[in-house]
Parts: sequence; structure tokens; C-alpha cells
Amino acid sequence: AQSVTQLGSHVSVSEGALVLLRCNYSSSVPPYLFWYVQYPNQGLQLLLKYTTGATLVKGINGFEAEFKKSETSFHLTKPSAHMSDAAEYFCAVSDQSSTDKLIFGTGTRLQVFP
Amino acid sequence: DAGITQSPRHKVTETGTPVTLRCHQTENHRYMYWYRQDPGHGLRLIHYSYGVKDTDKGEVSDGYSVSRSKTEDFLLTLESATSSQTSVYFCAISAGRGQGYTGELFFGEGSSLTVL
Repeated sequence: AQSVTQLGSHVSVSEGALVLLRCNYSSSVPPYLFWYVQYPNQGLQLLLKYTTGATLVKGINGFEAEFKKSETSFHLTKPSAHMSDAAEYFCAVSDQSSTDKLIFGTGTRLQVFP
Repeated sequence: DAGITQSPRHKVTETGTPVTLRCHQTENHRYMYWYRQDPGHGLRLIHYSYGVKDTDKGEVSDGYSVSRSKTEDFLLTLESATSSQTSVYFCAISAGRGQGYTGELFFGEGSSLTVL
């Protein structure tokens, strides 16, 4: 069965600093992996996804993530944090059944200080 | 943005009362899902649908039922609401496998439910 672990429920960085949000997954099949972002009082928006091919995936707002099979990881990074990046971030893995359910991690809340 | 509308967006109710949340989509997607979001738990799947009148349970289905009589509508019902069902509920949709399949879900704006 697939599962996702996000290390760190809260991450704080200064504006301009590197953002690193950690995600490890467990999957019995080659995974489809996703990062979603949730701004306050809003729904979830897709940041980026990995399905097949290139292991470094670029998403919206300057974020990127690297799929590392040997480490079963899919960490999210951004070189320089902006105040507008403050939000909650969710890593998810597809169960790749015919109904394509997503299994989510518990989320990481990112705070950005000026 | 995917055309997904949840209603009501906010509701306060009392323990023991029935509650129905509605998800309406205009994308003609086959798959629809109900998740609940709670602090420390992320999003957990309640029920999902893979077609009209075809539904199945997710990991936290106790106390919830669903119905899908039309492609565009997916209803979540709490027959007798309890305080443990206080949560934010999200509807999601997916086109499913086909050309250009990527496995992602598209989410509605959420429905906040408080059970007193």
C-alpha cells in the first residue's frame, strides 16, 4: 500500500532563504507523486507532479522537486522564499488503482519571515 | 480553473442533525472524491465515485454516505452529525485514465462544517 510521510509539520524561513520541504513515500509500484499548495481558506492547487521521465520536476511559482527512487523521496525546494509562499504544502502519492485515489501526507505549514 | 462548486461553503449544525454537502462539477469528469481535512491528519478520503451510481468507501467512511445520481453531482451525507465530524470537507474530481493522463486531482474550495 502507498503512504506518504512529510517531515516537519512547520517550517520557518526568512525571505530570500532556501525553502526545503521533505516528503518520503512508500509505494509498491513506480509512483506518481504530487505537491499541492493550500493558501488560507482556499482549496488545494497543484504545484507540480512527477509521473515518468525526468526526475527533476519544475512547477509553478519557482518551486521544483526531485524524484529520488533510491531514497524514496520527493522533496520540494525553492531557491529564494517570498512572503507570498507562506501556505500549507501537501505531498501526495497516487494509489494507481483504476480509481486514482491520492494518499496525502499530513502537510507542512511554511512561514516566511521578513 | 476546474469547474467545481461546493455548497454550502460554511455550515454550523447541532449534534444529531442530518447534513448534506453538495459537489457540482462542470468538467464531465468520471471520478469524484470526498476528502476531509483535519490538523495533523492532512486529507483523508471518505468516499469516492467512479461513475453514476458507482461509489465506494475510503479510509474514513464511518458515519458518512454518498450518492451520485448524475455525472455532475456528488452528495455527501452525515445521517446524524457528531462533533468528531467537525472538519473541512473537500470535493475533488479526476478525468481518469485516457489520453494525457497524469493522475492529478482538481479540488473545490472546501466546505467548513462545525457540529456543536
